[in-house]
Amino acid sequence: DIVLTQSPGTLSLSPGERATLSCRTSQSVVSNYLAWYQQKAGQAPRLLIYGASKRASGIPDRFSGSGSGTDFTLTISKLESEDFAVYYCYHYGHSPRLAFGPGTKVDFK
Amino acid sequence: EVQLVQSGAEVKKPGESLKVSCKASGYTFSRHWITWVRQKPGEGLEWMGRIDPRDSYSNYSSSFQGHVTLSVDKSITTAYLQWSSLKTSDTAFYFCARHMKEVAPDDAFDIWGQGTMVIVSS
Repeated sequence: DIVLTQSPGTLSLSPGERATLSCRTSQSVVSNYLAWYQQKAGQAPRLLIYGASKRASGIPDRFSGSGSGTDFTLTISKLESEDFAVYYCYHYGHSPRLAFGPGTKVDFK
Repeated sequence: EVQLVQSGAEVKKPGESLKVSCKASGYTFSRHWITWVRQKPGEGLEWMGRIDPRDSYSNYSSSFQGHVTLSVDKSITTAYLQWSSLKTSDTAFYFCARHMKEVAPDDAFDIWGQGTMVIVSS
């Protein structure tokens, strides 16, 4: 099965700083079927990015996704207070073996 | 408004059965697959399985195959996740989520239910 690895496990930053989150897959992702979700404590996840680089509806442009093959990145250009959360990558290109990464927590420095 | 509303928290004993619901509204229910996701307390997200509401065709993760069953009732636009015999290890939050594109088994999830907490304890 495809395995997703996210790094770092925790990212400690201040508001206004740039956040760079990595997601690596054990096999090449078909058609860039890679998504990113944000989850805050006590809430359901929210879709940020799909197709590796397409922003979901209503997502601010400070969020961007890039990458292909086995290496993907989520960048938050300038962190705002509401961005401190856990971020998961998810691949959906090896049906039906679909999987989430373990998550990266972005917290206050 | 497109939304998924899940049933409330449950407290069960090991060996009991349970059916959690996910009521869809604001869109054509049969046109979007539904996925279920588990999240144990303090842990990450796990994909459990998905179902096509058009014909109830479903796929399961190997981790959940044989232990849970997905179903839908198109007449009331509701998806279900059920267990016939719960274990203490089933204690978790469970989310339903809509596949973004129509008739797309391989897709990201754009709408999520609020989650249902299931506690299994003797």
